Amino acid sequence: GENVEQHPSTLSVQEGDSAVIKCTYSDSASNYFPWYKQELGKRPQLIIDIRSNVGEKKDQRIAVTLNKTAKHFSLHITETQPEDSAVYFCAASDRNNAGNMLTFGGGTRLMVKP
Amino acid sequence: KAGVTQTPRYLIKTRGQQVTLSCSPISGHRSVSWYQQTPGQGLQFLFEYFSETQRNKGNFPGRFSGRQFSNSRSEMNVSTLELGDSALYLCASSLPSNTDTQYFGPGTRLTVL
Repeated sequence: GENVEQHPSTLSVQEGDSAVIKCTYSDSASNYFPWYKQELGKRPQLIIDIRSNVGEKKDQRIAVTLNKTAKHFSLHITETQPEDSAVYFCAASDRNNAGNMLTFGGGTRLMVKP
Repeated sequence: KAGVTQTPRYLIKTRGQQVTLSCSPISGHRSVSWYQQTPGQGLQFLFEYFSETQRNKGNFPGRFSGRQFSNSRSEMNVSTLELGDSALYLCASSLPSNTDTQYFGPGTRLTVL
């Protein structure tokens, strides 16, 4: 089955700096890669996603890049703010799978210091 | 639209008991997936239901089961609870394709004593 690895597990940055979180996946059939943000005590919320026919996607301060050959994808947050502090999860979904089944990375705790 | 709702939000049980958790999806969503979240294992897929049928199953023992009703509401059941079943149980609803966004509920925090 699919295996998703996420690095780093913790990331501390100064407000205004950029943050990059990287994930690798094992199943070349995976075709959908969402990123979720989970604040303490709250539900995971989708912040951005990318499909395998796209190499990069941007939404304001957040961008995701996908390298299908290397089987890795990354989340980039620019001009970080204290409210960006949370745990971020990457995930992958297999197109050969008829339904919805996300395999998650282990999470990255991002701390933005004011 | 109302978001995904889960009941109860908190639950305390003792070892050996069983528990049933409920999930109401976003209106129009027929796919409901369940995940277990623990500090040690992260977010792990339990199973997915679509049109009242289990469409996918993760690597959990048979003590974990679920079902889906005709209105797309879903329940999961854990029998013979073990201490290690203490976790946050999240459900997510979506449209049927594997590239459709999954929207999570707030979760049920289960504590097994």
